[in-house]
Amino acid sequence: GENVEQHPSTLSVQEGDSAVIKCTYSDSASNYFPWYKQELGKGPQLIIDIRSNVGEKKDQRIAVTLNKTAKHFSLHITETQPEDSAVYFCAAVYFGNEKLTFGTGTRLTIIP
Amino acid sequence: DVKVTQSSRYLVKRTGEKVFLECVQDMDHENMFWYRQDPGLGLRLIYFSYDVKMKEKGDIPEGYSVSREKKERFSLILESASTNQTSMYLCASSCQGAGCTDTQYFGPGTRLTVL
Repeated sequence: GENVEQHPSTLSVQEGDSAVIKCTYSDSASNYFPWYKQELGKGPQLIIDIRSNVGEKKDQRIAVTLNKTAKHFSLHITETQPEDSAVYFCAAVYFGNEKLTFGTGTRLTIIP
Repeated sequence: DVKVTQSSRYLVKRTGEKVFLECVQDMDHENMFWYRQDPGLGLRLIYFSYDVKMKEKGDIPEGYSVSREKKERFSLILESASTNQTSMYLCASSCQGAGCTDTQYFGPGTRLTVL
């Protein structure tokens, strides 16, 4: 089955700087890669996703890049703000398989 | 907006008790999932259901069972709670078919403590 590794487990950045979280996956058949943000006391919420037919996707301050050859994908947050502090999870799945495989999470702390 | 609700935010039970965790979604989703979340381990799938009365084991089904009698409701059952089942439990749902992605929508979670 699929295995997803996520790094780093914790990340602290100064407000205004950029943050990057990286994930690798094992199953070359996986073709859908969502990112979730979990704020304190809440369930994870989808913030951005990418399919294997594109290499990059952006939505305002967040972007995701995908390298299918190397089987890794990354979340980029620019101009970080205090409200970006949360736990972020990556996931991978073969589209239609319905069962996501999650990474172990990254706790991002934005230092004012 | 998709809304997934869980019956309790916090629950304290004793070892050996039977525990029911309830999840309801209001978007007519076919798929529903139960995960447990533990520090350093991420989200691990316990069970999922792709239709009423259908269920499939996830990665860690031991000690758990599920029930899906209605499309909107998915229950997780701990037949005899043990201390190693102390965890955060998350329910999620997603749709099937044309126009659907594998995006899952999560409830707020139930933090279960077994004493």
